[in-house]
Amino acid sequence: GIQVEQSPPDLILQEGANSTLRCNFSDSVNNLQWFHQNPWGQLINLFYIPSGTKQNGRLSATTVATERYSLLYISSSQTTDSGVYFCAVLNSGGSNYKLTFGKGTLLTVNP
Amino acid sequence: DTAVSQTPKYLVTQMGNDKSIKCEQNLGHDTMYWYKQDSKKFLKIMFSYNNKELIINETVPNRFSPKSPDKAHLNLHINSLELGDSAVYFCASSQEGRRSYNEQFFGPGTRLTVL
Repeated sequence: GIQVEQSPPDLILQEGANSTLRCNFSDSVNNLQWFHQNPWGQLINLFYIPSGTKQNGRLSATTVATERYSLLYISSSQTTDSGVYFCAVLNSGGSNYKLTFGKGTLLTVNP
Repeated sequence: DTAVSQTPKYLVTQMGNDKSIKCEQNLGHDTMYWYKQDSKKFLKIMFSYNNKELIINETVPNRFSPKSPDKAHLNLHINSLELGDSAVYFCASSQEGRRSYNEQFFGPGTRLTVL
């Protein structure tokens, strides 16, 4: 099946810093989503971005489908950004109903 | 105006018991899912239902039996609970055929602890 690798596995920032999280995937995809799992365990949809670039406030994401990677940018980080960021994909050659998740990036933003 | 809801939020039970987790979505979606998140935070699909029909059963032990009474509900029943079943279970839903290709939305999760 498709492989999804996220980097870095852990990231510690001071409040106000910027960061880039990366997601590499091993095959073509129909769907790519970024999620934030907050410290209370909720999975929050950040972006649906199988290709192109999107922005939402301090967050933006870019997916280059032909090169099989996606990037999540967090600018001016805040303590509330802490948590685990997951990338998940739907493989074009696989089931339309099975999101495959990466192992996540654990982000800690210190005040 | 909760989109995907699950009950209960926490479930603590003894080994060997049978328990159920309920999921409801009010998004009008036609596809629902169960995912399991283990102690290392890894998320993996268990089941997928489209229009009340089972589409994916990802080699889950048959002690786990999903049931979809209608498109808005997908419940998970677990028989003879084992220690290894302890995890967080997430329900999700999506709609086929819309511009966002099967974008999935997740419920708040149910933390199951088997003692």
